[in-house]
Amino acid sequence: DTAVSQTPKYLVTQMGNDKSIKCEQNLGHDTMYWYKQDSKKFLKIMFSYNNKELIINETVPNRFSPKSPDKAHLNLHINSLELGDSAVYFCASRNRGSSYEQYFGPGTRLTVT
Amino acid sequence: DQQVKQNSPSLSVQEGRISILNCDYTNSMFDYFLWYKKYPAEGPTFLISISSIKDKNEDGRFTVFLNKSAKHLSLHIVPSQPGDSAVYFCAARETGANNLFFGTGTRLTVIP
Repeated sequence: DTAVSQTPKYLVTQMGNDKSIKCEQNLGHDTMYWYKQDSKKFLKIMFSYNNKELIINETVPNRFSPKSPDKAHLNLHINSLELGDSAVYFCASRNRGSSYEQYFGPGTRLTVT
Repeated sequence: DQQVKQNSPSLSVQEGRISILNCDYTNSMFDYFLWYKKYPAEGPTFLISISSIKDKNEDGRFTVFLNKSAKHLSLHIVPSQPGDSAVYFCAARETGANNLFFGTGTRLTVIP
């Protein structure tokens, strides 16, 4: 039973397009995250979100926007895709009341051509 | 500016021997440290953690050591097994913060 799932697993698209990556967690966690892993394998936080608070890493371009239809989902929408957006994007979740461990999804490899 | 650093991109160890993965950090506000293991095409999975009030935490074959004065932590795997071959990420939490800071990972290869 998958705890944190992401779709799609692979996404190839052209520059200038708008795309979304979906994330769902069935762990009952109250906080979700998006991370970007770049070509140097560096995992960097993009957003953290619970039902009260969205925290945005200031280095993230405003072309990226998280959207949460409910507590179990945090989708990532990207406008006007650029070559530099090519990376692996990981969704994660955590229960703020319990521990600091975050549970990660399998990742979405985005390739912008 | 990278606050968590793993200076060894790779490590090879014979099966049965000890694997030691190292991690350094610069932020004195970090109060909790975690190790994650990642297989190809999968997300990182939590392995073991340690609070800054401790200097050692052990879970089976895995032990994490924290040296606060040196801002250094290490993960020991004894004995190493071929299934331990993966990329290991060190991560840290800043007091009061909601997210984790990750290192760039060390690829461990355990040779049968």
